[in-house]
Amino acid sequence: SQQGEEDPQALSIQEGENATMNCSYKTSINNLQWYRQNSGRGLVHLILIRSNEREKHSGRLRVTLDTSKKSSSLLITASRAADTASYFCATDATSQAGTALIFGKGTTLSVSS
Amino acid sequence: DADVTQTPRNRITKTGKRIMLECSQTKGHDRMYWYRQDPGLGLRLIYYSFDVKDINKGEISDGYSVSRQAQAKFSLSLESAIPNQTALYFCATSDSLGKAFFGQGTRLTVV
Repeated sequence: SQQGEEDPQALSIQEGENATMNCSYKTSINNLQWYRQNSGRGLVHLILIRSNEREKHSGRLRVTLDTSKKSSSLLITASRAADTASYFCATDATSQAGTALIFGKGTTLSVSS
Repeated sequence: DADVTQTPRNRITKTGKRIMLECSQTKGHDRMYWYRQDPGLGLRLIYYSFDVKDINKGEISDGYSVSRQAQAKFSLSLESAIPNQTALYFCATSDSLGKAFFGQGTRLTVV
């Protein structure tokens, strides 16, 4: 089974609103990352947060990590139509597949103008 | 040039045929991965390699094999393709922190 699970599966908002996506994982992690995928294209790295960090910012992105709850959230502030994409969390942790980069199923974000 | 290059980008093949998907990277990373993506299932790990002599099965390795010909090259083979292997395949490489760089993907259709 997959290490990370994103919630919600799909999210529709208006331009200017904030978008929040959550990720839960199962095992201890070294770090947690968020990626973005435009339709049918390769994933692009957004941000990495280490297990000893609680919050990290990058531009309009804010990521939090709660290792006690094994969860992370990605907040995109002041969303734009160009933010429409799928967003995935990934953990570099030991899992059933060994120690490798394991992705969740993703959240599909739709931002309408 | 892209950091991670996959060939071919699109392929249609018949059931029972052997097919190889190729991946090369210019990042100089030791870690390379093959994933498949199906609608609603996200990315699932097929195989990964931490160096030329280290190959590991992922969660869905059945029906697939890999070859790490060099640090820069990691190929995925389907020995006898079947229709449920129709998917979007991604190769990736990652640095020591795990930050990954993806290829453009190969859309494979097995008819």
